[in-house]
Amino acid sequence: EVQLVQSGAEVKKPGESLKISCKGSGYTFTRFWIAWVRQMPGKGLEWMGIIYPGDSDTRYTPSFQGQVTFSADKSINTAYLHWSSLKASDTAIYYCARLPAAAGTDLDPWGQGTQVTVSS
Amino acid sequence: QSALTQPRSVSGSPGQSVTLSCTGTGSDVGSYNHVSWYRHHPGKAPKLMIYDVSQRPSGVPDRFSGSKSANTASLTISGLQAEDEADYYCCSYAGSYSWVFGGGTTLTVL
Repeated sequence: EVQLVQSGAEVKKPGESLKISCKGSGYTFTRFWIAWVRQMPGKGLEWMGIIYPGDSDTRYTPSFQGQVTFSADKSINTAYLHWSSLKASDTAIYYCARLPAAAGTDLDPWGQGTQVTVSS
Repeated sequence: QSALTQPRSVSGSPGQSVTLSCTGTGSDVGSYNHVSWYRHHPGKAPKLMIYDVSQRPSGVPDRFSGSKSANTASLTISGLQAEDEADYYCCSYAGSYSWVFGGGTTLTVL
C-alpha cells in the first residue's frame, strides 16, 4: 500500500525553528515528487511547492519562497518541511502528498496532516 | 496567482446529481488539462477524485465525473450519497511550476 505518514502535532513559540516530516512507503520514493500543502484555520488549501527526493530539486510557490525550506533524505524515504523562525501566521495544518510529475496536479495519496500551532 | 473561483456551498438530496464549478483564467484552467478535484472531510486527508480534467483514479466510483470548457472546470456527482458531504477543492497547473487551488465548495447532502 502506498502511504505517506507525517510527524505529529507541534506547539511552538514565535521565533522558534521547526522541522516536520513525511515518510513514504509502498513505492519508490525517489521517483515521485512530494508536494507540501497548507491549510490555515478555517481556510482552503494552498500549494506551497514540491521537492523531488531523487535529487532534492525543489520548486517553491512564490508566496512561500524564502519562508520555508524543503529537504529530503532518500536513505530513509523521508521529506521535510522546515521553518527557521516561526510566526503566529504559520499556524496551520500541513499536508504532504505524492505527485507523479512536476507539471501535474494529481496529488495521491496524502499524508494525514501535521497540525502546527505557533503561540506565545 | 489568484485562487480559482468555486461557489462557497452547494446542496442536493440523496440520489440527485450536483455539479460543482471551478473558474480560472486563460493562464491556468484555460491553458492546461492538469485540473484535479479533491474531496476533503475535515480532520482527514484530502482524497483525489478526478485528475487531468476527467480521469478517475482507481477506486473512485463512476458517480464522479469531470469536464472542462474554456476557463471553467466542473465536477459532477451523480447518485448523491451521505458520504459525499464534504469540502471539494479544484486545482489547476498554472505553468512555470506554479499550481493553484480553488477556494473550496462545501457540499451538503440534505
